[in-house]
Amino acid sequence: RKEVEQDPGPFNVPEGATVAFNCTYSNSASQSFFWYRQDCRKEPKLLMSVYSSGNEDGRFTAQLNRASQYISLLIRDSKLSDSATYLCVPLAGGTSYGKLTFGQGTILTVHP
Amino acid sequence: GAGVSQSPSNKVTEKGKDVELRCDPISGHTALYWYRQSLGQGLEFLIYFQGNSAPDKSGLPSDRFSAERTGGSVSTLTIQRTQQEDSAVYLCASSLAPSAGMREQFFGPGTRLTVL
Repeated sequence: RKEVEQDPGPFNVPEGATVAFNCTYSNSASQSFFWYRQDCRKEPKLLMSVYSSGNEDGRFTAQLNRASQYISLLIRDSKLSDSATYLCVPLAGGTSYGKLTFGQGTILTVHP
Repeated sequence: GAGVSQSPSNKVTEKGKDVELRCDPISGHTALYWYRQSLGQGLEFLIYFQGNSAPDKSGLPSDRFSAERTGGSVSTLTIQRTQQEDSAVYLCASSLAPSAGMREQFFGPGTRLTVL
């Protein structure tokens, strides 16, 4: 099983829609998570950090299910500018906090 | 303030040549990371530097790859005897010192390497 698995999509949704995608992780020791977004041919940028059961920031909500080892990202009222690849990154504790394993990403396209 | 910068932005080289990629982290960031991203793929961890500690080189794919970080700031990723499969975008990131919490990694724009 891969350390991080994401549905690659693509998810094609109209403006205003609500969309959610999941990320499953294999390391049960993962304590915290990042969601990054990456625009086409650009570098990843942090969207959200998740330290406990979840986090909400405006239209974006992340929810963590430790028992099933997945984290979801929900986007409400989708905007055209939300079109990007969303990368899930679990962070395990231990001696190497710096070594992050990125998921392959979920492609989201929001159309008019 | 200035973000992470990388140079060159694009590099085209011939198979068998050596290349050097440079990364300037954000001032004050003690941690520096190299990743590579092949077309349509996720980010692959290569190497991680933190302060004066020995770097975590566990992601380097072969002994043709090496990296240095001089003076705790600028880093150079060197690929010797390049192969076509080395073609990818090489991304550098920096952060404050990782600890028991998390530290956001800030990415540079990347160097797009093409090996002919």
